[in-house]
Amino acid sequence: AQKVTQAQTEISVVEKEDVTLDCVYETRDTTYYLFWYKQPPSGELVFLIRRNSFDEQNEISGRYSWNFQKSTSSFNFTITASQVVDSAVYFCALSEVTLTDKLIFGTGTRLQVFP
Amino acid sequence: NAGVTQTPKFRVLKTGQSMTLLCAQDMNHEYMYWYRQDPGMGLRLIHYSVGEGTTAKGEVPDGYNVSRLKKQNFLLGLESAAPSQTSVYFCASRSSTDTQYFGPGTRLTVL
Repeated sequence: AQKVTQAQTEISVVEKEDVTLDCVYETRDTTYYLFWYKQPPSGELVFLIRRNSFDEQNEISGRYSWNFQKSTSSFNFTITASQVVDSAVYFCALSEVTLTDKLIFGTGTRLQVFP
Repeated sequence: NAGVTQTPKFRVLKTGQSMTLLCAQDMNHEYMYWYRQDPGMGLRLIHYSVGEGTTAKGEVPDGYNVSRLKKQNFLLGLESAAPSQTSVYFCASRSSTDTQYFGPGTRLTVL
């Protein structure tokens, strides 16, 4: 069965600190996608990144970076030099390549960045 | 380009009342989804559609019905609302790159 675990319920940091959000997933399939979404206090869900199971290259986008390791079934998200605007709930999600392509979400990690 | 829109943004119902949530997308996506978000539980799939005229059940379909009469619209109905359906409802549509894009959400309270 598919499952996504975000063990960190809440993280608090001070501005300019680096922070890593953990995501561990379970799936029997060899073909799947992993995602991160951001939910700021305003409530909308903002797509951040999609990674397919055959691409283990790490990705960097500005202050954001993602580390995908199939060996440990992890897809961790690091924010470098955090800012107050990074305060949000971050969700990791898994999608197997099926007719549904439904997303299985983790329970989210609330990140609070204090000035 | 509005993306995915949802109507209404907020709603308060009494137990037993009915209502319909409307989701519209202007990206010509085939797949559309309805999720509910509850505290500490992430998002869970209610129903989905793989194209106009098709619908299917997701993880938590009980108490909800859906219709997809037009490709751009996906309606979620509650026939007899219950307090357990108090939640935030999100609609999403899926792009050709298998990425789901979400609407702004509808906050529903059932008293």
